[in-house]
Amino acid sequence: DAGVIQSPRHEVTEMGQEVTLRCKPISGHNSLFWYRQTMMRGLELLIYFNNNVPIDDSGMPEDRFSAKMPNASFSTLKIQPSEPRDSAVYFCASRKLAGELFFGEGSRLTVL
Amino acid sequence: KQEVTQIPAALSVPEGENLVLNCSFTDSAIYNLQWFRQDPGKGLTSLLLIQSSQREQTSGRLNASLDKSSGRSTLYIAASQPGDSATYLCAARNSGNTPLVFGKGTRLSVIA
Repeated sequence: DAGVIQSPRHEVTEMGQEVTLRCKPISGHNSLFWYRQTMMRGLELLIYFNNNVPIDDSGMPEDRFSAKMPNASFSTLKIQPSEPRDSAVYFCASRKLAGELFFGEGSRLTVL
Repeated sequence: KQEVTQIPAALSVPEGENLVLNCSFTDSAIYNLQWFRQDPGKGLTSLLLIQSSQREQTSGRLNASLDKSSGRSTLYIAASQPGDSATYLCAARNSGNTPLVFGKGTRLSVIA
């Protein structure tokens, strides 16, 4: 069984550049979550989707952040323009509607 | 609004000791609670999921309990091993459709 797949695993970019993080949830899961983890703030929920529909994006820090889920097997998190304070590990997770949550390995972003 | 707290933030024990990790939550009307393990540089691995109707769940040397009335859950690790060293996170949610709310985790070190 393939788990949640995220790419890239590591991204180093310069301030002002656009960053796109990708996620493929577990097949059959209908809820998808994007989290950000830093030492200072721990794990923060950015946005989540149920059946490809964004339900709550109140955790998205600014308009520079956007997320899409065009179909049940793919989601993107985009940061444009990126800033050094966006440096963090970004996790994607998925689950069946009332089930156990499974995480990907994360995308470590460094913005110089 | 649900809040999850884990105390202590860090714990160090000798190998072979039985130990308990604590998790408390503010809203007792939870739907389920999940315990995760996170190794450095890795994603979160689900350990146990306890539904609101359950009092405990067991997996190998791990046992998680749930007491909704007191707003507490514990993760019991029997005969600890150095390989158990990791950060353990607790997360609760209030309905089948809502996201998990995470604690900041307890960093466990098991010393050989």
